[in-house]
Amino acid sequence: EVQLVESGGALVQPGRSLRLSCVASGFSFGDYAMHWVRQAPGKGLEWIAGITWKSGSIDYADSVKGRFSISRDNAKNSLFLQMNSLRSEDTALYYCVKDRSPSYSSGCGDHWGQGTLVTVSS
Amino acid sequence: DIQMTQSPSSLSASVGDRVTITCRASQSINNYLNWYQQKPGKAPKLLIYSASSVQRGVPSRFSGSGSGTEFTLIITSLQPEDFATYYCQQSYSAPFTFGQGTNLE
Repeated sequence: EVQLVESGGALVQPGRSLRLSCVASGFSFGDYAMHWVRQAPGKGLEWIAGITWKSGSIDYADSVKGRFSISRDNAKNSLFLQMNSLRSEDTALYYCVKDRSPSYSSGCGDHWGQGTLVTVSS
Repeated sequence: DIQMTQSPSSLSASVGDRVTITCRASQSINNYLNWYQQKPGKAPKLLIYSASSVQRGVPSRFSGSGSGTEFTLIITSLQPEDFATYYCQQSYSAPFTFGQGTNLE
C-alpha cells in the first residue's frame, strides 16, 4: 500500500523559513516523480513544485519560485520542501503527491498524503 | 501559465441524478486533463486521467471526455458518497494548474 507521510508543518512568523518532509513507502520511490500541492484554508488546490525521479528536472509555480526549493533523497525515500521568506499567503495545508507515471513527470498525482499544516503569522 | 476554468462553481443535485461538470483550458492541452474528488477534511483522490481514463478502483459511474480546451466529467446515477468537491487539473505543462473546483451538494 502506498503511503505518504508529511511532517514539518508549524506556526512560523513572516520572513522565516521552514522545511517540510515527506516519507514514502509501498512503492519504488526512486522511480517516480513527486510533487507538492497546497491548499489554503477554505480554498482550492494549488500545485507548487515538482521533481523528476533523478532530480533532473524541477519546476515551480510562479508564486513560490525563488523562495521555495524542492529536493529528494531516494536512498531515504524522502521528499523535501525548503520554504524561505514565508508570507501570510503561504498559509496552507501542504500535500506530498506521487506522480502517476514512472520515470518522467506527468503532472498527474495518483496518491496523496494527508498533508501538513503551515501557518504564517506574527 | 495555463488557466483552468470550471463550471459551475457549485451544483445542487440529488441521488440518482446525472451530473456534468465542465472544465475549460486557456489553450489547447490535448488530452492532458485530470479530475480529482475531494471530501471535507480528506486529501484529493484521482478519478480520471488523460481526460477519459478511469483510475483503478473508481466506480464506472464516473467518466470523462474531451480534448483540446474543453472537457467534461460525468457522474451517472449520483450516489450519496459522491457529494464532494471536484477539481480538474492540466498536466500538459508546468505549472500544472487546477481549476477552482466545483462543489457538488
